Amino acid sequence: EVQLVESGGGLVQPGGSLKLSCAASGFTLSGSAMHWVRQASGKGLEWVGRIRSKADNHPALYAASVKGRFTISRDDSKNTAYLQMNSLKTEDTAIYYCAGVSDGFDVFNIWGQGTMVTVSS
Amino acid sequence: QAGLTQPPSVSKGLRQAATLTCTGNSDNIGNQGAAWLQQHQGHPPKLLSYRNDNRPSGISERFSASRSGNTASLTITGLQPEDEADYYCSAWDSSLDVWVFGGGTKLTVL
Repeated sequence: EVQLVESGGGLVQPGGSLKLSCAASGFTLSGSAMHWVRQASGKGLEWVGRIRSKADNHPALYAASVKGRFTISRDDSKNTAYLQMNSLKTEDTAIYYCAGVSDGFDVFNIWGQGTMVTVSS
Repeated sequence: QAGLTQPPSVSKGLRQAATLTCTGNSDNIGNQGAAWLQQHQGHPPKLLSYRNDNRPSGISERFSASRSGNTASLTITGLQPEDEADYYCSAWDSSLDVWVFGGGTKLTVL
C-alpha cells in the first residue's frame, strides 16, 4: 500500500523551530517531487513548498509566506522528506500535509494524513 | 500571492449534477491547466483529476473536469450523499513559480 506518514508536529512558541518528517512506504521517494501543503483550522489549502527529485537539479521552491524561514529537504536513503520550520509565527498554526507526485502524474496524487503544528505562547 | 477563485458554496439535490468553477489567469490555469481535489471533513485531500481532464485510477466517472480559457470546471453527475465535501482546484503558476489553490467550494447535497 502506498502511504505517506507525517510526524514531528506539536506545540512551539513563536520564534521557535520545528522539523517535520514525511516517511514514504510502498512508494519510492527518490524519483519523485514532494510537496508540503498546510491548512489552518476551518480554512482552505495553502501550498508551502516543493522539492524535486535529486536527478532533477532544481532548487526547492517556497510560498512567499514561508520563504527564508522554511526549508524542504529529502533523504532518499531513508525514503523520507523533511520540512524545517524556523522563526515560527502564530499564523503558521495549521495541519501540515506532505504530498507526493508519483510516476505518470504532474501533481500531488499521494497525500499523508497530516500533522498538527501549533504556534502559541 | 494570487490564488484561484472558487465560489464558497454550491448546493444541489440528490442525483442531480453540479458544476464547480475555478477561475485563474493565463499564467496558471490558462497555461498549465488545473487539478481538482476533494476533501471530506477531518480527512486529507484526494486527487480527483489532473491536467484538466485526467482521472486517477479509482476515481468515479461521475467526476469530469474541463477547461475553457482561464476557467476550469468540475462536473459531478448523479450526486450522492458521499459527494458532500470541500472541493479545491490547484494549478502551477509559471509567473510566480508557485502552486496556487482556490479557496475551496463546499458542496452540499440536499
